[in-house]
Amino acid sequence: DTAVSQTPKYLVTQMGNDKSIKCEQNLGHDTMYWYKQDSKKFLKIMFSYNNKELIINETVPNRFSPKSPDKAHLNLHINSLELGDSAVYFCASSRGLGGETQYFGPGTRLLVL
Amino acid sequence: DAKTTQPTSMDCAEGRAANLPCNHSTISGNEYVYWYRQIHSQGPQYIIHGLKNNETNEMASLIITEDRKSSTLILPHATLRDTAVYYCIVRVAGYGGATNKLIFGTGTLLAVQP
Repeated sequence: DTAVSQTPKYLVTQMGNDKSIKCEQNLGHDTMYWYKQDSKKFLKIMFSYNNKELIINETVPNRFSPKSPDKAHLNLHINSLELGDSAVYFCASSRGLGGETQYFGPGTRLLVL
Repeated sequence: DAKTTQPTSMDCAEGRAANLPCNHSTISGNEYVYWYRQIHSQGPQYIIHGLKNNETNEMASLIITEDRKSSTLILPHATLRDTAVYYCIVRVAGYGGATNKLIFGTGTLLAVQP
């Protein structure tokens, strides 16, 4: 069984469009994250949520809006997509906020044309 | 910014031990050393972590120097499937948002050769 899953795996879209990426974890974890890995392979945290509450927002443009309908899901909605948003987006989860191991999903490869 | 320095790349022969060094000379007393790896096109995977004692699990061993300014990740018998980018991460112990994020550096690309 997949612990952390993301959909879609690939996303190709035009500049200016709005798109969403979904993440689900079946580990019973309270905390979920979004990371972005750019073309130079730098991996950087964007957001974290704990029990549906926003904990970390790493100065991400407000075109990015995470939404956590329940603690097993953390979706990422992106408005007005720009070329620079092209990257691989990874979702992760951990048991809580105490520095526990983070488990990553397989990533969503977003290409903005 | 990442508080660690790692070599950009390393090679290792299949079946031999892979020793991956990490420098974290500014580490504080309440900071752990974590290792994750990222196999091509996959999400990062946790390997091991430690505070000051050496640690071993089914994947690897972590050796931390007595002054805690550097550490070495050891994969005892590297296989081709261990080819990946290995990230050494320093992370503050504690509870809460600021301590709970992983700050990735550039990592070491380990290439296991047949």
